[in-house]
Amino acid sequence: ETGVTQTPRHLVMGMTNKKSLKCEQHLGHNAMYWYKQSAKKPLELMFVYSLEERVENNSVPSRFSPECPNSSHLFLHLHTLQPEDSALYLCASSQDGIAGDEQFFGPGTRLTVL
Amino acid sequence: TQLLEQSPQFLSIQEGENLTVYCNSSSVFSSLQWYRQEPGEGPVLLVTVVTGGEVKKLKRLTFQFGDARKDSSLHITAAQPGDTGLYLCAGYASNTGKLIFGQGTTLQVKP
Repeated sequence: ETGVTQTPRHLVMGMTNKKSLKCEQHLGHNAMYWYKQSAKKPLELMFVYSLEERVENNSVPSRFSPECPNSSHLFLHLHTLQPEDSALYLCASSQDGIAGDEQFFGPGTRLTVL
Repeated sequence: TQLLEQSPQFLSIQEGENLTVYCNSSSVFSSLQWYRQEPGEGPVLLVTVVTGGEVKKLKRLTFQFGDARKDSSLHITAAQPGDTGLYLCAGYASNTGKLIFGQGTTLQVKP
């Protein structure tokens, strides 16, 4: 595997379910990101991890819970989501998490909340 | 709130035509990036511009960063169906260091 991979690619869940999104980067990067992409809206940065420490949480509701066990893996744990949380969730990584870094994106998980 | 406004939001053209996509803001950016995203995939970086007034060319794509580093444009010459996709501009804000994305321009090039 190369680059940034995400699983699952598609997820349908009810509002009472608990699920997790997984991201893995094979680039040797130190920073990882979660973004939310909704139709006709700019990408919204959700969380940033640098060297496995969370360095940014952009006022994301607590029903989204990130986890970064090591610099290659990033999870987004989901519980009691709302229909408006349906979106494409993109994971990205960059070398150092500093301004100007090139970010490499995974293919995303298309989430539908019923 | 720092915003990047992209225009147009949607563009449908015939193969061989030229087009320009604009990315504007009232904020200053230390650098600005352009990405292309195809259906079912994540964004892929096309170019980064850093210096005010900078022009970069990537085959038929020409990218320009405004002198004041508040705006940018992407010009495609002789568009081809393979250019179809969502084009995103994103800037690193000078004051916060955060990467801010525009809402994207969906380009459709018909054969």
